[in-house]
Amino acid sequence: DAGVTQSPTHLIKTRGQQVTLRCSPKSGHDTVSWYQQALGQGPQFIFQYYEEEERQRGNFPDRFSGHQFPNYSSELNVNALLLGDSALYLCASSDNGLAYEQYFGPGTRLTVT
Amino acid sequence: KNQVEQSPQSLIILEGKNCTLQCNYTVSPFSNLRWYKQDTGRGPVSLTIMTFSENTKSNGRYTATLDADTKQSSLHITASQLSDSASYICVVSARTSYDKVIFGPGTSLSVIP
Repeated sequence: DAGVTQSPTHLIKTRGQQVTLRCSPKSGHDTVSWYQQALGQGPQFIFQYYEEEERQRGNFPDRFSGHQFPNYSSELNVNALLLGDSALYLCASSDNGLAYEQYFGPGTRLTVT
Repeated sequence: KNQVEQSPQSLIILEGKNCTLQCNYTVSPFSNLRWYKQDTGRGPVSLTIMTFSENTKSNGRYTATLDADTKQSSLHITASQLSDSASYICVVSARTSYDKVIFGPGTSLSVIP
């Protein structure tokens, strides 16, 4: 079992560009949550996908959007990148949103210059 | 308002010593409380998970306690090792129709020789 995987590992983008991050959940999990973690801070909840629908959303602007595919994998898209979007983006998977057992991926480090 | 607080913000201890990290929460209705260890630039890794009826859970040198009445939890690390240097995050879930996850800000632990 590969656990939660994320790609790419690192990414450098320029202000104003768009980026897509990808996540494959742990086998048997159908819910994917995305978090943004700035340096030295705790993870901040972006949104959660279940059954290909956005089920919960944190306090993030519409520039942040996502998608979940029938195989439960997910993408996080960020448009019109700002310098403040530089962070570690974490994906976590669970079974039907039950946070009793939530597994995190290794993260994608996004740097916006 | 659902909130999780952790103390201390940071801690430096000598290798081999014990330490205790604190977590206070105001989350309702309570579902479960988890402690995660996060190495710098990596995804969080689950250490312990406790539900309402559990007041202690161990994982090797890590022992978590939960007092659901006072809404407090602690993570005790015994015989610390250099590899224990990391951020320790307390995460509390509120049970609604699905779990809502609230992250604490984390405690940064440095173990020095």
